[in-house]
Amino acid sequence: SQELEQSPQSLIVQEGKNLTINCTSSKTLYGLYWYKQKYGEGLIFLMMLQKGGEEKSHEKITAKLDEKKQQSSLHITASQPSHAGIYLCGAVGGTSYGKLTFGQGTILTVHP
Amino acid sequence: NAGVTQTPKFQVLKTGQSMTLQCAQDMNHEYMSWYRQDPGMGLRLIHYSVGAGITDQGEVPNGYNVSRSTTEDFPLRLLSAAPSQTSVYFCASRGRGFTEAFFGQGTRLTVV
Repeated sequence: SQELEQSPQSLIVQEGKNLTINCTSSKTLYGLYWYKQKYGEGLIFLMMLQKGGEEKSHEKITAKLDEKKQQSSLHITASQPSHAGIYLCGAVGGTSYGKLTFGQGTILTVHP
Repeated sequence: NAGVTQTPKFQVLKTGQSMTLQCAQDMNHEYMSWYRQDPGMGLRLIHYSVGAGITDQGEVPNGYNVSRSTTEDFPLRLLSAAPSQTSVYFCASRGRGFTEAFFGQGTRLTVV
Protein backbone atom coordinates (compact mmCIF):
# COMPACT_ATOMS: atom_id res chain seq x y z
CA SER A 1 0.00 0.00 0.00
CA GLN A 2 1.06 3.58 -0.46
CA GLU A 3 2.81 5.15 2.52
CA LEU A 4 3.29 8.86 2.99
CA GLU A 5 5.96 10.29 5.22
CA GLN A 6 5.94 13.95 6.19
CA SER A 7 8.94 15.88 7.41
CA PRO A 8 9.49 17.48 9.73
CA GLN A 9 6.99 16.07 12.22
CA SER A 10 6.89 19.42 13.99
CA LEU A 11 8.23 22.86 13.25
CA ILE A 12 8.54 26.01 15.35
CA VAL A 13 9.30 29.25 13.53
CA GLN A 14 9.34 32.96 14.27
CA GLU A 15 6.72 35.07 12.55
CA GLY A 16 7.96 36.30 9.21
CA LYS A 17 10.18 33.31 8.51
CA ASN A 18 9.80 31.04 5.48
CA LEU A 19 9.35 27.32 5.93
CA THR A 20 8.96 24.10 3.93
CA ILE A 21 7.13 20.88 4.71
CA ASN A 22 7.83 17.76 2.66
CA CYS A 23 5.68 14.79 1.83
CA THR A 24 7.39 11.69 0.41
CA SER A 25 5.56 8.72 -1.00
CA SER A 26 6.70 5.10 -1.21
CA LYS A 27 5.01 4.85 -4.62
CA THR A 28 4.23 7.07 -7.57
CA LEU A 29 1.77 9.79 -6.69
CA TYR A 30 -1.32 9.91 -8.90
CA GLY A 31 -2.83 12.78 -7.02
CA LEU A 32 -1.67 14.72 -3.98
CA TYR A 33 -3.72 16.81 -1.54
CA TRP A 34 -2.68 19.31 1.08
CA TYR A 35 -4.98 20.09 4.00
CA LYS A 36 -4.62 22.24 7.08
CA GLN A 37 -6.23 21.60 10.44
CA LYS A 38 -6.57 23.94 13.36
CA TYR A 39 -6.27 22.23 16.72
CA GLY A 40 -9.53 20.46 17.60
CA GLU A 41 -11.22 21.50 14.38
CA GLY A 42 -12.01 20.10 10.97
CA LEU A 43 -9.85 20.01 7.85
CA ILE A 44 -9.40 22.93 5.49
CA PHE A 45 -8.60 22.18 1.86
CA LEU A 46 -5.49 24.00 0.59
CA MET A 47 -4.76 22.58 -2.85
CA MET A 48 -4.31 19.47 -4.92
CA LEU A 49 -1.68 18.54 -7.48
CA GLN A 50 -1.64 15.87 -10.13
CA LYS A 51 0.94 16.51 -12.79
CA GLY A 52 4.66 16.16 -12.24
CA GLY A 53 6.21 19.59 -11.96
CA GLU A 54 2.86 21.18 -11.16
CA GLU A 55 2.99 24.11 -8.77
CA LYS A 56 0.05 25.91 -7.18
CA SER A 57 -0.18 28.89 -4.85
CA HIS A 58 -2.79 30.26 -2.52
CA GLU A 59 -1.98 33.47 -0.73
CA LYS A 60 1.42 32.81 0.86
CA ILE A 61 1.33 29.04 0.49
CA THR A 62 2.89 27.26 -2.50
CA ALA A 63 2.85 23.54 -3.16
CA LYS A 64 4.77 21.62 -5.78
CA LEU A 65 4.74 18.05 -7.04
CA ASP A 66 8.17 16.93 -8.18
CA GLU A 67 8.86 15.64 -11.68
CA LYS A 68 9.27 12.06 -10.63
CA LYS A 69 5.97 12.31 -8.75
CA GLN A 70 7.02 10.78 -5.50
CA GLN A 71 7.40 13.91 -3.41
CA SER A 72 5.57 17.12 -2.76
CA SER A 73 6.66 20.20 -0.87
CA LEU A 74 4.58 22.89 0.79
CA HIS A 75 6.26 26.25 1.22
CA ILE A 76 4.99 29.12 3.36
CA THR A 77 6.44 32.55 2.77
CA ALA A 78 6.60 35.12 5.57
CA SER A 79 4.76 32.94 8.09
CA GLN A 80 2.06 34.39 10.34
CA PRO A 81 0.46 33.09 13.54
CA SER A 82 -2.63 32.30 11.44
CA HIS A 83 -0.56 29.67 9.61
CA ALA A 84 -0.19 27.62 12.78
CA GLY A 85 -1.84 24.21 12.82
CA ILE A 86 -1.40 20.72 11.47
CA TYR A 87 -0.58 20.24 7.79
CA LEU A 88 -1.56 16.97 6.21
CA CYS A 89 -0.68 15.57 2.82
CA GLY A 90 -2.92 12.94 1.27
CA ALA A 91 -2.53 10.78 -1.81
CA VAL A 92 -4.74 8.63 -3.99
CA GLY A 93 -3.42 5.20 -4.80
CA GLY A 94 -3.21 4.03 -8.38
CA THR A 95 -5.47 5.18 -11.19
CA SER A 96 -8.78 4.26 -9.57
CA TYR A 97 -8.50 7.23 -7.18
CA GLY A 98 -10.82 5.49 -4.72
CA LYS A 99 -8.38 5.06 -1.85
CA LEU A 100 -7.15 8.26 -0.22
CA THR A 101 -4.51 7.94 2.51
CA PHE A 102 -2.69 10.58 4.54
CA GLY A 103 0.66 11.19 6.10
CA GLN A 104 1.14 11.59 9.85
CA GLY A 105 0.95 15.36 9.71
CA THR A 106 3.32 18.24 10.47
CA ILE A 107 2.58 20.44 13.47
CA LEU A 108 3.47 24.06 12.77
CA THR A 109 3.86 26.64 15.53
CA VAL A 110 4.46 30.27 14.64
CA HIS A 111 5.67 32.57 17.40
CA PRO A 112 4.71 36.26 17.10
CA ASN B 1 -25.96 22.10 0.51
CA ALA B 2 -25.00 20.64 3.87
CA GLY B 3 -21.85 18.94 2.50
CA VAL B 4 -20.73 16.07 4.74
CA THR B 5 -22.69 15.63 7.96
CA GLN B 6 -21.44 13.48 10.79
CA THR B 7 -23.41 12.54 13.88
CA PRO B 8 -22.96 12.55 16.78
CA LYS B 9 -20.28 15.17 17.47
CA PHE B 10 -19.38 13.67 20.84
CA GLN B 11 -19.94 10.21 22.30
CA VAL B 12 -18.87 8.34 25.40
CA LEU B 13 -19.14 4.56 25.35
CA LYS B 14 -18.45 1.87 27.85
CA THR B 15 -16.10 -0.95 26.87
CA GLY B 16 -18.01 -3.62 25.01
CA GLN B 17 -20.84 -1.41 23.83
CA SER B 18 -21.64 -1.09 20.15
CA MET B 19 -22.64 1.99 18.25
CA THR B 20 -22.90 3.47 14.77
CA LEU B 21 -21.33 6.71 13.63
CA GLN B 22 -23.40 8.30 10.91
CA CYS B 23 -22.07 10.02 7.80
CA ALA B 24 -24.21 11.53 5.08
CA GLN B 25 -23.33 13.64 2.03
CA ASP B 26 -25.61 15.50 -0.32
CA MET B 27 -23.17 16.07 -3.20
CA ASN B 28 -23.83 12.76 -5.01
CA HIS B 29 -20.20 11.77 -4.45
CA GLU B 30 -19.12 8.26 -5.34
CA TYR B 31 -16.16 7.97 -2.97
CA MET B 32 -16.58 7.98 0.80
CA SER B 33 -14.06 7.21 3.52
CA TRP B 34 -13.74 6.91 7.28
CA TYR B 35 -10.60 7.98 9.14
CA ARG B 36 -9.49 8.08 12.71
CA GLN B 37 -7.13 10.70 14.05
CA ASP B 38 -4.93 10.14 17.06
CA PRO B 39 -2.22 12.49 18.35
CA GLY B 40 0.87 12.32 16.16
CA MET B 41 -0.72 9.80 13.80
CA GLY B 42 -2.33 11.99 11.17
CA LEU B 43 -5.43 10.50 9.54
CA ARG B 44 -5.54 6.73 9.29
CA LEU B 45 -7.94 5.16 6.81
CA ILE B 46 -10.40 2.69 8.35
CA HIS B 47 -12.69 1.75 5.45
CA TYR B 48 -13.62 3.32 2.16
CA SER B 49 -16.23 2.93 -0.56
CA VAL B 50 -16.13 3.67 -4.28
CA GLY B 51 -19.89 3.44 -4.75
CA ALA B 52 -23.11 2.03 -3.36
CA GLY B 53 -22.64 -1.62 -2.45
CA ILE B 54 -18.83 -1.48 -2.73
CA THR B 55 -16.58 -1.15 0.31
CA ASP B 56 -12.99 -2.03 1.08
CA GLN B 57 -10.64 -2.06 4.03
CA GLY B 58 -8.18 0.67 4.75
CA GLU B 59 -5.12 0.70 7.01
CA VAL B 60 -6.83 0.04 10.36
CA PRO B 61 -10.12 -1.85 9.75
CA ASN B 62 -10.16 -4.17 12.76
CA GLY B 63 -13.08 -3.61 15.10
CA TYR B 64 -15.08 -1.61 12.56
CA ASN B 65 -17.73 -2.50 9.98
CA VAL B 66 -19.18 -0.41 7.17
CA SER B 67 -21.88 -0.71 4.56
CA ARG B 68 -22.97 1.52 1.69
CA SER B 69 -26.55 0.82 0.74
CA THR B 70 -27.08 4.29 -0.76
CA THR B 71 -24.81 6.87 -2.39
CA GLU B 72 -25.56 9.35 0.38
CA ASP B 73 -24.87 7.34 3.53
CA PHE B 74 -21.79 5.55 4.83
CA PRO B 75 -22.23 4.49 8.48
CA LEU B 76 -19.35 3.18 10.58
CA ARG B 77 -20.16 0.51 13.16
CA LEU B 78 -18.12 -0.24 16.23
CA LEU B 79 -18.93 -3.82 17.09
CA SER B 80 -17.57 -3.99 20.66
CA ALA B 81 -15.95 -0.75 21.73
CA ALA B 82 -12.47 -0.85 23.26
CA PRO B 83 -10.47 1.94 24.94
CA SER B 84 -8.04 1.75 21.96
CA GLN B 85 -10.86 3.08 19.78
CA THR B 86 -10.90 6.36 21.67
CA SER B 87 -10.19 8.82 18.89
CA VAL B 88 -11.58 11.52 16.64
CA TYR B 89 -13.34 10.08 13.61
CA PHE B 90 -13.69 11.89 10.29
CA CYS B 91 -15.82 11.00 7.32
CA ALA B 92 -14.93 12.29 3.85
CA SER B 93 -16.49 12.22 0.42
CA ARG B 94 -15.16 12.89 -3.11
CA GLY B 95 -16.48 12.89 -6.59
CA ARG B 96 -15.21 10.43 -9.20
CA GLY B 97 -11.63 10.86 -10.36
CA PHE B 98 -9.16 13.24 -8.79
CA THR B 99 -11.38 15.75 -7.00
CA GLU B 100 -11.42 17.68 -3.76
CA ALA B 101 -12.20 15.67 -0.63
CA PHE B 102 -14.82 17.17 1.67
CA PHE B 103 -14.69 16.31 5.35
CA GLY B 104 -17.26 16.22 8.09
CA GLN B 105 -16.63 18.07 11.33
CA GLY B 106 -15.60 14.93 13.16
CA THR B 107 -16.91 12.75 15.98
CA ARG B 108 -14.98 12.71 19.23
CA LEU B 109 -15.39 9.25 20.73
CA THR B 110 -14.25 8.23 24.18
CA VAL B 111 -14.40 4.61 25.31
CA VAL B 112 -14.14 4.10 29.06
